[in-house]
Amino acid sequence: TQLLEQSPQFLSIQEGENLTVYCNSSSVFSSLQWYRQEPGEGPVLLVTVVTGGEVKKLKRLTFQFGDARKDSSLHITAAQPGDTGLYLCAGALETSGSRLTFGEGTQLTVNP
Amino acid sequence: DAGVIQSPRHEVTEMGQEVTLRCKPISGHNSLFWYRQTMMRGLELLIYFNNNVPIDDSGMPEDRFSAKMPNASFSTLKIQPSEPRDSAVYFCASTPRGANTGELFFGEGSRLTVL
Repeated sequence: TQLLEQSPQFLSIQEGENLTVYCNSSSVFSSLQWYRQEPGEGPVLLVTVVTGGEVKKLKRLTFQFGDARKDSSLHITAAQPGDTGLYLCAGALETSGSRLTFGEGTQLTVNP
Repeated sequence: DAGVIQSPRHEVTEMGQEVTLRCKPISGHNSLFWYRQTMMRGLELLIYFNNNVPIDDSGMPEDRFSAKMPNASFSTLKIQPSEPRDSAVYFCASTPRGANTGELFFGEGSRLTVL
């Protein structure tokens, strides 16, 4: 059982569509990060959220941390082919303190 | 500035052989992490170091795996003897901050195939 469950696992959409991917857990996180990974490369950090209810925007990407700090969502508006990649959430548990745990990721494909 | 540098990028070996993966973290970063990525299990933390000292190796699968960080600019992950189930992409990452809130800077990974 994954500590962080991401959904959907796979998403294939057309350019211009909107989408939301989710990261859920039964545990509380002191912070949560979203990364994007392209084939043959390592993950690259998109955002870090720390406060429950926090919303951060990065151009067409909107990130939200749940009020209880157990879940997060990533919304992409007007998706573009360049958004294609594996989106990973990663959280630091309040109880563990030092280990950053990754979800299995959502593989997004945006078709032109 | 150079990012995290890993070598080799690709390694194909036969079961039973020793494999050594290498990592050079970003200069000035004091924490280094080794992760393994597979389709089945995603990204798993194997071990991490703070100031060259191993802090948490609970993710190391078994005694066949060992990691060292002899100085601030170099780390190795060794598998001896290797098995087919060790096939994966191994990532090294570094961060200038503490382990739980700092941005992880990943290398491009070492893809290991054990036949």
